[in-house]
Amino acid sequence: SQQGEEDPQALSIQEGENATMNCSYKTSINNLQWYRQNSGRGLVHLILIRSNEREKHSGRLRVTLDTSKKSSSLLITASRAADTASYFCARTQGGSEKLVFGKGTKLTVNP
Amino acid sequence: DAGITQSPRHKVTETGTPVTLRCHQTENHRYMYWYRQDPGHGLRLIHYSYGVKDTDKGEVSDGYSVSRSKTEDFLLTLESATSSQTSVYFCAISPALAVYEQYFGPGTRLTVT
Repeated sequence: SQQGEEDPQALSIQEGENATMNCSYKTSINNLQWYRQNSGRGLVHLILIRSNEREKHSGRLRVTLDTSKKSSSLLITASRAADTASYFCARTQGGSEKLVFGKGTKLTVNP
Repeated sequence: DAGITQSPRHKVTETGTPVTLRCHQTENHRYMYWYRQDPGHGLRLIHYSYGVKDTDKGEVSDGYSVSRSKTEDFLLTLESATSSQTSVYFCAISPALAVYEQYFGPGTRLTVT
C-alpha cells in the first residue's frame, strides 16, 4: 500500500487544549493536504501545503511540512467540541497526480 | 457539500445483484472520483474521470466499472455485488487532478448481504 501512517490513531483532549496530529509518508510528494470528516459526513478540505513550503496557517490551524523527514503535522489550537472529527492527510506523490489518503486520526474534544 | 449529490444514500442488496451508484455535480468541474472508505483503510480510490467518456482506474478498481456520459454525472457500477464491497462510497470533484482540493459528496452506505 502507498498509504502513509497517521499518528496517533485516536486522540482525546479537553476543550481549550491544543491537538497535534502527524502524518508520515514514504515517497517524495508534490503537495500535501489535510481534510476533516465529521461523523457520517463527507470530507472537507482544510489546508494544502506545497512541497516547497514549510508552514501554513489558517485560523486556528497550523500545518508544517518536513520533506527531509517525510512528515507533516496538523496543529489545532484552543480546540472546541466542534473540532471533534476524524482528520486525514492526503498527498500527491511521485509521478502520479492522484491523491493518496492516510488512515486518519480520530480526535475527540471533551467539553 | 459543494453542489455534489449522491444517490441512493443508503442501499442494502444481495450478493450477485448489480448495483449502480450515482454522483451528480452542479459545479462543472472536470474531474470526478469514486472512493470507498473502510475501517482501518482510510479512503481508497476506485476510479476517476478526467472528462466526458474519459476514465481511469484507481487503487481498488477490480469488480467496479464507471461511466461518464455527461459532465455532471459519474456512475459507479458493481456488476455483481459481493460482501467485500460492503462499504461507504464517496464521490469527489475537483477542477484539476489533485492540484486543487477535492470536494466530497455526502456518501452512500452500501451493504451487501
